[in-house]
Amino acid sequence: ELKVEQNPLFLSMQEGKNYTIYCNYSTTSDRLYWYRQDPGKSLESLFVLLSNGAVKQEGRLMASLDTKARLSTLHITAAVHDLSATYFCAVDIPYSGAGSYQLTFGKGTKLSVIP
Amino acid sequence: EAGVAQSPRYKIIEKRQSVAFWCNPISGHATLYWYQQILGQGPKLLIQFQNNGVVDDSQLPKDRFSAERLKGVDSTLKIQPAKLEDSAVYLCASSQVRGHAGEKLFFGSGTQLSVL
Repeated sequence: ELKVEQNPLFLSMQEGKNYTIYCNYSTTSDRLYWYRQDPGKSLESLFVLLSNGAVKQEGRLMASLDTKARLSTLHITAAVHDLSATYFCAVDIPYSGAGSYQLTFGKGTKLSVIP
Repeated sequence: EAGVAQSPRYKIIEKRQSVAFWCNPISGHATLYWYQQILGQGPKLLIQFQNNGVVDDSQLPKDRFSAERLKGVDSTLKIQPAKLEDSAVYLCASSQVRGHAGEKLFFGSGTQLSVL
């Protein structure tokens, strides 16, 4: 069974600071997603990482994937209050015999950026 | 482009009652998913459809949950009878065919279910 672990689960940081959220997973995969969820809202796709060494950046967020270490990171640069949300990583693995993929989510990292 | 539509937005029922949720995916998306998100946790896949066929229902509690996707478009998820532990947000998502390109999933706003 695939396990996806994020840490930290809770993160409180001041505006202007940098920090990294980590996502470890337990089985081979080269497809990893990051999603953002605001309170009471649905999930919004941030990044899709499809190969070892993939790096994607959008604004103050940068995501990377190391498939050999089974690790993805989401780096936050110079945080601002608008980034406060819960961030989920999700790992895609082939679903046996179905020719499709099953997406498994981590528990999420709740980020609070304090002005 | 219209997003994934879900209804109702909220539902409160008593245990042992039944409830149904409806989802209309993005037009042209062949794959539809139902996820259960318990407070404080990540979404858990319940069932995945490809057009109107079930691809994966391994985590669906089949003794009480059922889902269908008639004509490969809209879908309904039913719980009968509901238990207290079914209280959660039920998210519907859709994507184009999940091949090697790693297509994104687009999520609806969800239905928040409270079982009393």
